[in-house]
Amino acid sequence: RKEVEQDPGPFNVPEGATVAFNCTYSNSASQSFFWYRQDCRKEPKLLMSVYSSGNEDGRFTAQLNRASQYISLLIRDSKLSDSATYLCVVPNTGFQKLVFGTGTRLLVSP
Amino acid sequence: SQTIHQWPATLVQPVGSPLSLECTVEGTSNPNLYWYRQAAGRGLQLLFYSVGIGQISSEVPQNLSASRPQDRQFILSSKKLLLSDSGFYLCAWSPLAGGPYTGELFFGEGSRLTVL
Repeated sequence: RKEVEQDPGPFNVPEGATVAFNCTYSNSASQSFFWYRQDCRKEPKLLMSVYSSGNEDGRFTAQLNRASQYISLLIRDSKLSDSATYLCVVPNTGFQKLVFGTGTRLLVSP
Repeated sequence: SQTIHQWPATLVQPVGSPLSLECTVEGTSNPNLYWYRQAAGRGLQLLFYSVGIGQISSEVPQNLSASRPQDRQFILSSKKLLLSDSGFYLCAWSPLAGGPYTGELFFGEGSRLTVL
């Protein structure tokens, strides 16, 4: 299994829709997980952290399933401005670095 | 507040030419520093990281090198560029106790390199 694996998408959804992305990881010892957002041709920025079973911030919910080793990001009431690539990030086995997934691209249309 | 600057933003270089990308961080001390590369359609690949002056860890064997001459300065270099070196290079910093433990990684705006 790859350290971090994501469906590249793109996910095309209309405004107002609910969309969810999954990410699988291999480091079973990791206690923390992160979602970053990257706009086209820009640098990634931290969106959410997940330290236990989940985290919610407004329209965004991140959930963790340790048994199956995946995390998900749920976006409710999608906005045009949500269009971006969402990167799943997990510490490596030795916790020396963060490993980034290749990202899932989201396109929200009017 | 902390800021990170990297330059140049864009460059086009011929194969075999040298490279120097520079990154500086302001407003913090003893940061962990990182160089990542993002090739077209691919994920972020960690190239180098540094936990202190003169301390460089290399992640991927390649024709690139990194140096940290000062606490808040990180430089990425190459003596001879290859076509495969093209990509989006991102410098990042994290607090000493951050990075893998908190997910806190703050990126510069990136340097887009095209090797022809």
